[in-house]
Amino acid sequence: QSALTQPASVSGSPGQSITISCTGTSSDVGGYNYVSWYQQHPGKAPKLMIYEVSNRPSGVSNRFSGSKSGNTASLTISGLQAEDEADYYCSSYTSSSEEVFGTGTKVTVL
Amino acid sequence: QVQLVESGGGVVQPGRSLRLSCAASGFTFSTYAMHWVRQAPGKGLEWVAIISYDGNKKYYADSVRGRFTISRDNSKNTLYLQMNSLRAEDTAVYFCARVLYYDYWSGYYYGMDVWGQGTTVTVSS
Repeated sequence: QSALTQPASVSGSPGQSITISCTGTSSDVGGYNYVSWYQQHPGKAPKLMIYEVSNRPSGVSNRFSGSKSGNTASLTISGLQAEDEADYYCSSYTSSSEEVFGTGTKVTVL
Repeated sequence: QVQLVESGGGVVQPGRSLRLSCAASGFTFSTYAMHWVRQAPGKGLEWVAIISYDGNKKYYADSVRGRFTISRDNSKNTLYLQMNSLRAEDTAVYFCARVLYYDYWSGYYYGMDVWGQGTTVTVSS
């Protein structure tokens, strides 16, 4: 199972909005609404930010939103803040009953 | 509070074995499916394996299938990862994570909502 494709880096100024894409295939992202997004700060464990494409766990800011079109899922961070600077990973359930992560995106707040 | 604590990491020679543990507390462990996920130094997250809440269903990544075994002891609230025939490329921080949603009969699942702090495995001669 190949990793989902994400841009290596995305940057934005405080207050701006950025979008991270996550491209897979019809056997993963495109075939199921089981896409999740994780935030990981250096040296820390990942944190679930979005599940089932667009749902936010309790406690996650509503500045984070998710969507999907075809084989590509997206994470949008609006009102970018310094604390949002981190690595972000998408993941998806696959037709092989496995999980696959994205390649990861480093978000920089300018 | 809800918590996962991994242990068992260390330095091991290629070809040898190691068993990782993940102790759960603060929730009813026996009702949740669980994952192992790893992260090589400076690299991204890689899914390793998942086990159903009762231990009867297990799935593995191609990179570890046949060498690693995921298991659990619900009486001890503990998840395990037995790693055999270790290779240099298995060097990573290993995380255990709780599954947010798991449908036992269809096998569908999504979300990893609770993570441990990770335990480091280094495979080197």
